[in-house]
Amino acid sequence: GNSVTQMEGPVTLSEEAFLTINCTYTATGYPSLFWYVQYPGEGLQLLLKATKADDKGSNKGFEATYRKETTSFHLEKGSVQVSDSAVYFCALDRTDSWGKFQFGAGTQVVVTP
Amino acid sequence: DAGVIQSPRHEVTEMGQEVTLRCKPISGHNSLFWYRQTMMRGLELLIYFNNNVPIDDSGMPEDRFSAKMPNASFSTLKIQPSEPRDSAVYFCASRDSDMTGELFFGEGSRLTVL
Repeated sequence: GNSVTQMEGPVTLSEEAFLTINCTYTATGYPSLFWYVQYPGEGLQLLLKATKADDKGSNKGFEATYRKETTSFHLEKGSVQVSDSAVYFCALDRTDSWGKFQFGAGTQVVVTP
Repeated sequence: DAGVIQSPRHEVTEMGQEVTLRCKPISGHNSLFWYRQTMMRGLELLIYFNNNVPIDDSGMPEDRFSAKMPNASFSTLKIQPSEPRDSAVYFCASRDSDMTGELFFGEGSRLTVL
């Protein structure tokens, strides 16, 4: 089946710290992988994506690399800001059921000044 | 583009009342999704449409929930009768038929059933 597992939160860190959120997946075929971010009171918005193995998605200082051998898509940012406080969702585009995204449970990140 | 537009943003109602949530997808997108988000269950897919046709409604919790998409620019999610356990944030999302395309989410409708 299809599943996405991401580390539980909340993750609390200080401004300018390094952030890593682990995400691993199981899937049929070779799905596209996504990271979405949800700020308080808002909907989810795409942060970055990768469509094939070894692709690196990047945006706003965040990066994630599609690792087929380890079925992972870990999110990283070298120096977080208070404005990065949000919930982050890892997701895949299911190839066995067109159009359906499989989302992880979400990881809350809290950045303190 | 205006993005996915949902209304109302907030709805407070009493148990037993009918609730209708509305969604206007991004123009040109031919797939539309309804999600529900709660602290306990996270993000759940309720139903999705492709070219206005319901493709998968297996996530609809029970017969009290129904969804329609009468045309490419409008969809509704109806709960009748509503119950306190339906309290959640309901998101609509749309995407292009391009299979590598991202999902675009609306800002959500926060429903509180008293």
